[in-house]
Amino acid sequence: QLTQSPSSLSASVGDRVTITCRASQGMSTFLAWYQQKPGKAPKLLISSASTLESGVPSRFSGSGSGTDFTLTISSLQPEDFATYYCQVLNSYRWTFGQGTKVEIK
Amino acid sequence: EVQLVESGGDLVQRGGSLRLSCATSGFTFSKYAMSWVRQAPGKGLEWVSTISGNGVATYYADSVKGRSTISRDNSKSTLYLQLNTLRDEDTAVYYCVRDTSGWYYFDYWGQGTLVTVSS
Repeated sequence: QLTQSPSSLSASVGDRVTITCRASQGMSTFLAWYQQKPGKAPKLLISSASTLESGVPSRFSGSGSGTDFTLTISSLQPEDFATYYCQVLNSYRWTFGQGTKVEIK
Repeated sequence: EVQLVESGGDLVQRGGSLRLSCATSGFTFSKYAMSWVRQAPGKGLEWVSTISGNGVATYYADSVKGRSTISRDNSKSTLYLQLNTLRDEDTAVYYCVRDTSGWYYFDYWGQGTLVTVSS
């Protein structure tokens, strides 16, 4: 089980945004973050809790281990308005958080 | 360039069956586990099934276990998902995804194919 918070947030361009993902049991650092824009497939942003995928802007960062993880966008840009999901693998069950929608304030 | 192209989504009656296909290119298909992930309208992402690179190992979400079969044809670089006894809650966009080399994550996604279950 993965619980993301908040489920949605409103922010302005330039804001620092933090999204939290809590696992019901320890996941070490095997957690990923995805970004999904409306009508598009999700995109892998961060793997292993903090490894930025190739081509992902450095304003995105991830941290955490065990049960508590965070995705931070240091300075929100117009193209970052999207829904973000965390995801883990446990015992050959791949689980996603319920998503956090980042909207324009 | 890695490409995943799904097909086979359709409007089907409750209780019916459907086979989804995913044609891939741009990577050595047999070296990667592949998965299906779905998204119901307006809802979040749900993992459906995963198959190992050689096709021997398969895994299913409880929501589709016993009603679906994942398979692959490595000679055609194509992934399949057979869905049977379709229910209303199977209505979703189904994404074909490539697992990362460690199986933990999904690094490439297709554009999705829509399955609509109607009574």
